[in-house]
Amino acid sequence: EVQVLESGGGLVQPGGSLRLSCAASGFTFSTYMMTWVRLPPGKGLEWVSTITGSGGGTYYADSVKGRFAISRDNSKNTLYLQMNSLRAEDTALYYCARGTMNPDYWGQGTLVTVSS
Amino acid sequence: DVVMTQSPLSLPVTLGQPASISCRSSQGLVHSDGNTYLSWFQQRPGQSPRRLIYRVSNRDSGVPDRFSGSGSGTDFTLKISRVEAEDVGVYYCMQGTHWPRTFGQGTKLEIK
Repeated sequence: EVQVLESGGGLVQPGGSLRLSCAASGFTFSTYMMTWVRLPPGKGLEWVSTITGSGGGTYYADSVKGRFAISRDNSKNTLYLQMNSLRAEDTALYYCARGTMNPDYWGQGTLVTVSS
Repeated sequence: DVVMTQSPLSLPVTLGQPASISCRSSQGLVHSDGNTYLSWFQQRPGQSPRRLIYRVSNRDSGVPDRFSGSGSGTDFTLKISRVEAEDVGVYYCMQGTHWPRTFGQGTKLEIK
């Protein structure tokens, strides 16, 4: 059974950092691109970042470029999102999802709150 | 960026009646591989997004056949033939052809 499970969310002050993780199981992780999508409170889904299966290619939304870094460890079947210089507008439920063109499996999300 | 525009944004529907959501893209969504990467997602209250439809009209396993997707070019539609109580939630279209990936604003379906 395919599963993706996010962790690492929490409360952080503006300007702070946080690293999210997404543990994957039930499929050959290294053969899939992986994606982070967020849901800000009261708003709609927003694509954040995608990484290729090998990790050699990364893509970012303009709103996070230069502040967030996506990475993966295929030996651990784990996806990461390093978030630096966090802002109040980064407050959201962060989901990881398998794939990028039509992501099929989504985790339950991890909540990131940026507030002083 | 490709702008995805959904309508309506709020959709009150009587149980057993049909419902339809429109999604328009600001650019065509045909990929260089020949496929059109337009998906529909359902997000029930308190749950994570669930993919219903991929590549315009392909229904995911386990999705009731009352859900159907259609369209081409820049105009796409999600139809529910007979709305049931479990269909309450927010529906999003998403394009996966161009970078950055973009979602529609979401359509909130509620029971009248």
